[in-house]
Amino acid sequence: NAGVTQTPKFRVLKTGQSMTLLCAQDMNHEYMYWYRQDPGMGLRLIHYSVGEGTTAKGEVPDGYNVSRLKKQNFLLGLESAAPSQTSVYFCASSYGGPPDTQYFGPGTRLTVL
Amino acid sequence: AQSVTQLDSQVPVFEEAPVELRCNYSSSVSVYLFWYVQYPNQGLQLLLKYLSGSTLVKGINGFEAEFNKSQTSFHLRKPSVHISDTAEYFCAAFIQGAQKLVFGQGTRLTINP
Repeated sequence: NAGVTQTPKFRVLKTGQSMTLLCAQDMNHEYMYWYRQDPGMGLRLIHYSVGEGTTAKGEVPDGYNVSRLKKQNFLLGLESAAPSQTSVYFCASSYGGPPDTQYFGPGTRLTVL
Repeated sequence: AQSVTQLDSQVPVFEEAPVELRCNYSSSVSVYLFWYVQYPNQGLQLLLKYLSGSTLVKGINGFEAEFNKSQTSFHLRKPSVHISDTAEYFCAAFIQGAQKLVFGQGTRLTINP
């Protein structure tokens, strides 16, 4: 039982490049979330999903897209990376919506040059 | 707007000393409260949560927190810290009617021998 896994762990992009971050969970959770963590700002919600085939915007969705084609996977895409998207990205999942406990992945450190 | 404020960005303490990490939230409606811990280079892990009932909540690793509705606070305490408690601690709130957790800015706890 791996919990929540994220791929890749680290990535460096040039401005304008695109990439996809993959989150996978093996706990049969309905809800999945993408957060970004920046120094002094805590975690901010980018997008979330309440079930397979559904997505919704969070607090800071601009510049990101997501897809939830399979229940266990939640993909975060950056179509045209910008330096402001340099951050640590965390995926989380929960059985139900809040206040159900969210389980977090180990994070992806992304640098955009 | 609902918000969570962690009053200290860094807290240094000596090993075996007591510690209190402060958290205040702003909300006029019912709220659920959480404390998460992030060890170096890892994702977030739930320490404890308050949903209802007793205002004193006990969590893992000897931590506890007290919900104070009149002061809109949810401070985290431990009577005797260990080197292994060195981590960043995040307070979070889920406000009923919203669909997301709101995180505080984080408090970095450093334990000195």
